[in-house]
Amino acid sequence: RKEVEQDPGPFNVPEGATVAFNCTYSNSASQSFFWYRQDCRKEPKLLMSVYSSGNEDGRFTAQLNRASQYISLLIRDSKLSDSATYLCVVTEDNDMRFGAGTRLTVKP
Amino acid sequence: EAQVTQNPRYLITVTGKKLTVTCSQNMNHEYMSWYRQDPGLGLRQIYYSMNVEVTDKGDVPEGYKVSRKEKRNFPLILESPSPNQTSLYFCASSRPGLFETQYFGPGTRLLVL
Repeated sequence: RKEVEQDPGPFNVPEGATVAFNCTYSNSASQSFFWYRQDCRKEPKLLMSVYSSGNEDGRFTAQLNRASQYISLLIRDSKLSDSATYLCVVTEDNDMRFGAGTRLTVKP
Repeated sequence: EAQVTQNPRYLITVTGKKLTVTCSQNMNHEYMSWYRQDPGLGLRQIYYSMNVEVTDKGDVPEGYKVSRKEKRNFPLILESPSPNQTSLYFCASSRPGLFETQYFGPGTRLLVL
């Protein structure tokens, strides 16, 4: 079983749609949680941290459910520029564990 | 501008020919690491370094070496590359334990024939 699992997609949605991604992790002792965005053939970039209380940044909302060991990312009012691969990241001590990513394509 | 640089960005080589991928950061970060990214597997950590002269294995260290003689540089060395090391490699740096500060380099795409 992978330590961090994501649905690889692809998710193909029209502009303006709301889309949600989930990610599950296996280590209940995981400490920090993040969503990264990766454009094709480029480096991952931090999108947002995920806190137990949930957090929102504009059109993006991230939530953490420690009991069920999953985190989610909700994107509202999708833009063409949101097309990318979204990586779920979980930390254990000094180690970062990456999911394989969920690919999103937003179409006109 | 805060950045992590890697060189070369693209490399085609042959089995057994030693190569080095350089990584340099200008943020005075103590923590640096190397990852490889393969389709369907996500990023996997190869080696990491908590500070100068302190390095440790990640999840997939076989076939790789690293050194940390200076704070800003963390080269990745493939002594005898093999085709299964064909991959996309990323270097990253951050403050220890502060993953929100992590920056990735632009990546090095390696093909071993």
